[in-house]
Amino acid sequence: EAGVVQSPRYKIIEKKQPVAFWCNPISGHNTLYWYRQNLGQGPELLIRYENEEAVDDSQLPKDRFSAERLKGVDSTLKIQPAELGDSAVYLCASSGAGTANTEAFFGQGTRLTVV
Amino acid sequence: AQSVTQLGSHVSVSEGALVLLRCNYSSSVPPYLFWYVQYPNQGLQLLLKYTTGATLVKGINGFEAEFKKSETSFHLTKPSAHMSDAAEYFCAVSPPGAGSYQLTFGKGTKLSVIP
Repeated sequence: EAGVVQSPRYKIIEKKQPVAFWCNPISGHNTLYWYRQNLGQGPELLIRYENEEAVDDSQLPKDRFSAERLKGVDSTLKIQPAELGDSAVYLCASSGAGTANTEAFFGQGTRLTVV
Repeated sequence: AQSVTQLGSHVSVSEGALVLLRCNYSSSVPPYLFWYVQYPNQGLQLLLKYTTGATLVKGINGFEAEFKKSETSFHLTKPSAHMSDAAEYFCAVSPPGAGSYQLTFGKGTKLSVIP
């Protein structure tokens, strides 16, 4: 069974440019998470979806970040415009239906470098 | 608010030696506690978790951790290090019942195993 798939794996862009990351969760997983991991830090939650609904986006910088999960499957995270401080690894995770105790499975991440 | 402190950003052990990675948490109530491992260029993988019940938790790959409420600690141990254990380890905490929904990660400890 395929795990959480993210693309691209690496992205280098100039500041002020837009960028988008894509995530395909594990089949059947209703909950999808986007995390940001800065260098030398642990992941920080940006947004959590239950199916197509964003149920926790309190840590998402809404002035430049947006996310969508159409049809409750794949998800896209967008930054527009990117800033130097956005350089980080963006991780997507998913978990199955049920309680919060269901394990979250993480993708390999997209490493973003803003120059 | 909950927080996690991992003592030592980098730990080196010899192959066959005891692995001890330290994690202390701050929470007004006993939280749920997790250890994740991240291999180079990989996503995070759950090693073990404590929710309720037995305070000594056994995980995958021979790792275990003990929840000590009096010390607000959840240290990760393995009796004998293997070369394949070289990775970064993250301790995480969530409010009781929130599980994967509200994970707060520590900054991570990079484990090196010396042949």
